Amino acid sequence: DAGVIQSPRHEVTEMGQEVTLRCKPISGHNSLFWYRQTMMRGLELLIYFNNNVPIDDSGMPEDRFSAKMPNASFSTLKIQPSEPRDSAVYFCASSLRDGYNEKLFFGSGTQLSVL
Amino acid sequence: KQEVTQIPAALSVPEGENLVLNCSFTDSAIYNLQWFRQDPGKGLTSLLLIQSSQREQTSGRLNASLDKSSGRSTLYIAASQPGDSATYLCAVRDVIQGAQKLVFGQGTRLTINP
Repeated sequence: DAGVIQSPRHEVTEMGQEVTLRCKPISGHNSLFWYRQTMMRGLELLIYFNNNVPIDDSGMPEDRFSAKMPNASFSTLKIQPSEPRDSAVYFCASSLRDGYNEKLFFGSGTQLSVL
Repeated sequence: KQEVTQIPAALSVPEGENLVLNCSFTDSAIYNLQWFRQDPGKGLTSLLLIQSSQREQTSGRLNASLDKSSGRSTLYIAASQPGDSATYLCAVRDVIQGAQKLVFGQGTRLTINP
């Protein structure tokens, strides 16, 4: 299996622009998670989906952030408008089931820089 | 609110040594604890998962222990190798904040010197 695939690997944009991050989970996994990693705050859960349905989005920092999962093999995280403080590494992760003891498999992340 | 702490933030040891990484958490009501490895510019790789009812898990040269009552876990690496150099993070799956919320520590950056 190719693992969790994220694109782009790097994104540099100017403040105010729209940014869309993409994720393809591992085939057969039905839980998907978006995390953000910064030096100051470490890893933070933004939102997670189970069977394509958003279950908990309490970690989404502001209304500027939105996430969708139109089907089992694709998810997007959108920031509109972007701000310099959104600069971080954004990770997508998936797991086999919505169970408490399932391992998470992470993608390689998208390094976002907002100038 | 669950808080996870990893000490030290960085550790450098010579190749071949056995070493222990520490993780502590403030609330013992957890489902499980996972140890991850993160290489520079890469995502996280799950190393070991210990369920709340378990005391330890082993995989090759890695052994992770869990003392839920005291809020502590350790990751033991035997016969360290330069390839073990990475950042190691622990994370607890917290009951109070919702089962699917993994709360991460800040990690320990490990360097194994040849």
